[in-house]
Amino acid sequence: AQKITQTQPGMFVQEKEAVTLDCTYDTSDPSYGLFWYKQPSSGEMIFLIYQGSYDQQNATEGRYSLNFQKARKSANLVISASQLGDSAMYFCAMLVYGGSNYKLTFGKGTLLTVNP
Amino acid sequence: DTAVSQTPKYLVTQMGNDKSIKCEQNLGHDTMYWYKQDSKKFLKIMFSYNNKELIINETVPNRFSPKSPDKAHLNLHINSLELGDSAVYFCASSRLYEQYFGPGTRLTVT
Repeated sequence: AQKITQTQPGMFVQEKEAVTLDCTYDTSDPSYGLFWYKQPSSGEMIFLIYQGSYDQQNATEGRYSLNFQKARKSANLVISASQLGDSAMYFCAMLVYGGSNYKLTFGKGTLLTVNP
Repeated sequence: DTAVSQTPKYLVTQMGNDKSIKCEQNLGHDTMYWYKQDSKKFLKIMFSYNNKELIINETVPNRFSPKSPDKAHLNLHINSLELGDSAVYFCASSRLYEQYFGPGTRLTVT
């Protein structure tokens, strides 16, 4: 069974500073993908970044980067130069490939608050 | 144009009623999903359809019945609503790995 663990229920960061949101995962399948989603207070789920298990380099998307450490089974999200609009719930998720079965398993989320 | 849309956005109803939530995607994706987000914000998959065929059915009461009339639509019908069904229900679609979520439907059962 797949499992995602986010150990930080809440995080605070000052505007313009960098912040790391932790995520560890557990799977015995060699082929998988890791995702981060942002959920602002308005409720929608926004895709941020994706890392495949066979990708050699860490994924980056603008101010978001994923610190992928395969041996440690961690996939931390790094947000550089935090902005007030980054205040939101952040979910780490894992997807295991199995034919047409693309089931996402989510962590419990981290509530990030960016202070001015 | 909205990629994944859900109606209604809010749904307030009484225990015992039957209600439906509709989902439509205009992305041409083959796979669609229903997720439930509880009051603690935990997201869990309920169902997945691929080309109108049910491929994932997690441990969900059989009061919940998904229906996919075509690849672009996946509706969720709930019979005999219970207080514990109160949650936000998200529809999503995907072609490969990236899943696009709808705006969610907040269901409140009183």
